Amino acid sequence: QKEVEQDPGPLSVPEGAIVSLNCTYSNSAFQYFMWYRQYSRKGPELLMYTYSSGNKEDGRFTAQVDKSSKYISLFIRDSQPSDSATYLCAMSDGYNFNKFYFGSGTKLNVKP
Amino acid sequence: GAVVSQHPSWVICKSGTSVKIECRSLDFQATTMFWYRQFPKQSLMLMATSNEGSKATYEQGVEKDKFLINHASLTLSTLTVTSAHPEDSSFYICSARAGGEDTQYFGPGTRLTVL
Repeated sequence: QKEVEQDPGPLSVPEGAIVSLNCTYSNSAFQYFMWYRQYSRKGPELLMYTYSSGNKEDGRFTAQVDKSSKYISLFIRDSQPSDSATYLCAMSDGYNFNKFYFGSGTKLNVKP
Repeated sequence: GAVVSQHPSWVICKSGTSVKIECRSLDFQATTMFWYRQFPKQSLMLMATSNEGSKATYEQGVEKDKFLINHASLTLSTLTVTSAHPEDSSFYICSARAGGEDTQYFGPGTRLTVL
């Protein structure tokens, strides 16, 4: 079983839709959770970073962590064609910051 | 802040030659840098982790004599692909972590094509 599971998609939505991207994980020691956005042929860009459980909002993006269920989500409101990219979740246990665990990425396509 | 650059952004070389890729943290000091490889439509594969002034730690299955990593300063790490072969063609991405920070900042990547 992989440490982090993420549906590869592709996920196709119309412009303006609310998008929900999710990851599940198996290691209850994970405390730091990140979402990256990667455009084609580019390096990943850090979008959201959260610690432990709870929600964090930044503009149209909301990151949610449910440690009891070992489940994290990224919500995108009013999705735009420019949001079309691959979204990677990542996490670490906070003890060894040199060890990060990445999901395989979900490809999102927002249709105009 | 937290900008990481890579150079070159793309490179084409002949089989058997060596290629050096530079990774720089532009506005912070990176105590740790990571090198990843990414094949089309696949996720990131960690190759090695390097701390400034120390030898890199390679992931299982990554040939350390083929992929030479040098982290000579707190803002620069280099990856040299020695005696490159077509199967080494890939997208190489570096990332950097500042001391005490709990996340990584990625560079834009370098696309290597070996003919």
